[in-house]
Amino acid sequence: QKEVEQDPGPLSVPEGAIVSLNCTYSNSAFQYFMWYRQYSRKGPELLMYTYSSGNKEDGRFTAQVDKSSKYISLFIRDSQPSDSATYLCATSVSNFGNEKLTFGTGTRLTIIP
Amino acid sequence: EAEVAQSPRYKITEKSQAVAFWCDPISGHATLYWYRQILGQGPELLVQFQDESVVDDSQLPKDRFSAERLKGVDSTLKIQPAELGDSAMYLCASSHFGRDGSKIDQETQYFGPGTRLLVL
Repeated sequence: QKEVEQDPGPLSVPEGAIVSLNCTYSNSAFQYFMWYRQYSRKGPELLMYTYSSGNKEDGRFTAQVDKSSKYISLFIRDSQPSDSATYLCATSVSNFGNEKLTFGTGTRLTIIP
Repeated sequence: EAEVAQSPRYKITEKSQAVAFWCDPISGHATLYWYRQILGQGPELLVQFQDESVVDDSQLPKDRFSAERLKGVDSTLKIQPAELGDSAMYLCASSHFGRDGSKIDQETQYFGPGTRLLVL
């Protein structure tokens, strides 16, 4: 069993819809949770960063962590065609700059104009 | 904006040949990572450097892969001989970590564009 599980999709939604992306994890030592966005043939770029349980909002994006159920979510409001990409969840035990990240498999998202 | 540089962007090689990838991290970043991302999967760590020292190479297939960061700045990842199963995207990332051991809150890893390798 992988430490971080993520539905690979693909997921297609119409422009303007709310998108929900999810991951589950098994290691209770994970404290820091990230969402990366990866466009085709590019490296991942950090989208959201949260610590422990709770919500964090940044513009149209909201990251949610529920440590009791080991569940991570990313919500995208008013989705745009430019949001079409692969979204990777990632976790780490600490926030030290040299901490290894454990990634999910990524969910491929397409926003249909 | 500072970026992680990687070259080449694409590499096609035949099995049993040697290949090498280069990474130049963001200036001042002490920690450098090499990840491998197989199509349809998330990145998996191959090797991690703190300055010029390897701190984690537990997932590096050492019979064919080698990595170095001689001066603690740029890094090279080599595969010899390449196998069909090595076809993947090889990603380099860097992050800042205080050389005096100081903790820097919410530091993150910045990824380069990757090198896409195809072994025929």
